[in-house]
Amino acid sequence: NAGVTQTPKFQVLKTGQSMTLQCAQDMNHEYMSWYRQDPGMGLRLIHYSVGAGITDQGEVPNGYNVSRSTTEDFPLRLLSAAPSQTSVYFCASSYLTSDPYNEQFFGPGTRLTVL
Amino acid sequence: RKEVEQDPGPFNVPEGATVAFNCTYSNSASQSFFWYRQDCRKEPKLLMSVYSSGNEDGRFTAQLNRASQYISLLIRDSKLSDSATYLCVVRGGGTSYGKLTFGQGTILTVHP
Repeated sequence: NAGVTQTPKFQVLKTGQSMTLQCAQDMNHEYMSWYRQDPGMGLRLIHYSVGAGITDQGEVPNGYNVSRSTTEDFPLRLLSAAPSQTSVYFCASSYLTSDPYNEQFFGPGTRLTVL
Repeated sequence: RKEVEQDPGPFNVPEGATVAFNCTYSNSASQSFFWYRQDCRKEPKLLMSVYSSGNEDGRFTAQLNRASQYISLLIRDSKLSDSATYLCVVRGGGTSYGKLTFGQGTILTVHP
């Protein structure tokens, strides 16, 4: 299993440009999510999905769109990049079970810089 | 007030030392608790879950006090390879669908 994969690893954008961060998992996990990590802030939830066709907002959703057309993929779109979106982005996935200790697995991250 | 707060650190300890990290959480309905480890420029990885009765994994001991809403991690006999950022993580209850809330992390450096 490849686990959770993310592309690209690094990206530099200019303000106003758009792009899509890709996330895929091969573990048949129902739950997928996107976090951003900024210095001194911990990881913050952007959007999440509990299955194909179902998405919802997290703590910091503004400026980001998501969709979930398949179980495997959960892309994150920046429609008009802003310098405030410079961050490290992590995708995570897990099974959706009643077990509260169910582990979430993280992808390797995408480092995004917006100039 | 942040939902999950950790010792600000950084902690700088010699090999063989014992070091303890503390964490508090504000949501009394939180269901489950974890310590994740994050190496420099890498993704977080689960170090250990934290159970109400306390639990141990080799040199690592985790404790949970639900009444005080407090979580701790004790590392004994520190190794150079323990150098990393340690993240206190709490999972919400109810219909949160497994939403994780992270503390800001505590940096540990173990030196020779």
